Amino acid sequence: KNEVEQSPQNLTAQEGEFITINCSYSVGISALHWLQQHPGGGIVSLFMLSSGKKKHGRLIATINIQEKHSSLHITASHPRDSAVYICAVNPNTGNQFYFGTGTSLTVIP
Amino acid sequence: DVKVTQSSRYLVKRTGEKVFLECVQDMDHENMFWYRQDPGLGLRLIYFSYDVKMKEKGDIPEGYSVSREKKERFSLILESASTNQTSMYLCASRPGPHFNYGYTFGSGTRLTVV
Repeated sequence: KNEVEQSPQNLTAQEGEFITINCSYSVGISALHWLQQHPGGGIVSLFMLSSGKKKHGRLIATINIQEKHSSLHITASHPRDSAVYICAVNPNTGNQFYFGTGTSLTVIP
Repeated sequence: DVKVTQSSRYLVKRTGEKVFLECVQDMDHENMFWYRQDPGLGLRLIYFSYDVKMKEKGDIPEGYSVSREKKERFSLILESASTNQTSMYLCASRPGPHFNYGYTFGSGTRLTVV
């Protein structure tokens, strides 16, 4: 049983395209995180959301708590955006995150 | 910036060896975690520690143990390495359990057991 589901698993886009990655979760949460992992392994945090919408540069993250759904959007995609994007939730109970399996994005020049 | 440092980026070990993976954080975080990451399975929690000398099993603790003698250091031990423990291992830390705190991850150790 996976508490966090992401789609798509893999995504290939042309440079400049608008990209959307989706995340659905099944537990009550206090926060949702979007993470980025480049080849080589290191994971960095992009956003933490508990409601509404956040924007950072070309990245936008939204969350709908009632529908238990979040989206990560990338506008004007660039080859340097190629990475694995991981959705993680901080459930209301317990101290651990639940992670999605990730979306592997490749942006072609 | 908080730093989480994993001692090795790449390791190759033989079946049956005892393997130590070290993780050090420099910002006095209470909570530390060890995950393994495999294609299609995402990050799976092996062990975590709320504080010094405390440890809790995660989802897949079999074949692993941990040690946290000092607050800044959390070690993962493979008692007798096996080929199915070939994986990427990621350490993470966070200040405490409050929901506003995210994780800071290390760069990962890619372990190959031959």
